[in-house]
Amino acid sequence: KAGVTQTPRYLIKTRGQQVTLSCSPISGHRSVSWYQQTPGQGLQFLFEYFSETQRNKGNFPGRFSGRQFSNSRSEMNVSTLELGDSALYLCASATGGGNTDTQYFGPGTRLTVL
Amino acid sequence: GESVGLHLPTLSVQEGDNSIINCAYSNSASDYFIWYKQESGKGPQFIIDIRSNMDKRQGQRVTVLLNKTVKHLSLQIAATQPGDSAVYFCAENRDDKIIFGKGTRLHILP
Repeated sequence: KAGVTQTPRYLIKTRGQQVTLSCSPISGHRSVSWYQQTPGQGLQFLFEYFSETQRNKGNFPGRFSGRQFSNSRSEMNVSTLELGDSALYLCASATGGGNTDTQYFGPGTRLTVL
Repeated sequence: GESVGLHLPTLSVQEGDNSIINCAYSNSASDYFIWYKQESGKGPQFIIDIRSNMDKRQGQRVTVLLNKTVKHLSLQIAATQPGDSAVYFCAENRDDKIIFGKGTRLHILP
């Protein structure tokens, strides 16, 4: 089975721009979660989508948004980029069956905001 | 606020020795814990998990111990190998979100 894939792997943007990141989950997985990883804050939960609906949300501003398509692929969007948005963005997929569901992570998208 | 945390940021271990990575949590209601390993340039990789109704669980070369009395979690890696070099995160699944600790870097000495 193919693992979680994320595109692009690397991205450079400037302040004020917007960016869209993509995540393809493991086949059969219906839950996709997004995380932001920075040296200072570590791994922080952004949101989770299940069956095209946002099921859970972390404490990030409204500039961070996401969506999920009927094939379970997910995108996250960050508008009006700030320097502090530079981070590794990880997505993880799971079957979606419950809170003891194992999450499988992709390699991440490294976003640099200049 | 409540958080999942780690005792040491870096651990150096001789190759072949056992490694013990510790983690403290503060939410007594947490009932599910996970250990992840993250190698450079990769996403976190699931190692082992444990539910709060257990105090020990073993995998291949790894053992997780849970002490609910003192809210402490540990990951033991037997016969540490160079490939074990990575950052290890403990995490709890709380309200369907995974809350990660800050991570411990495991450094293997030759």
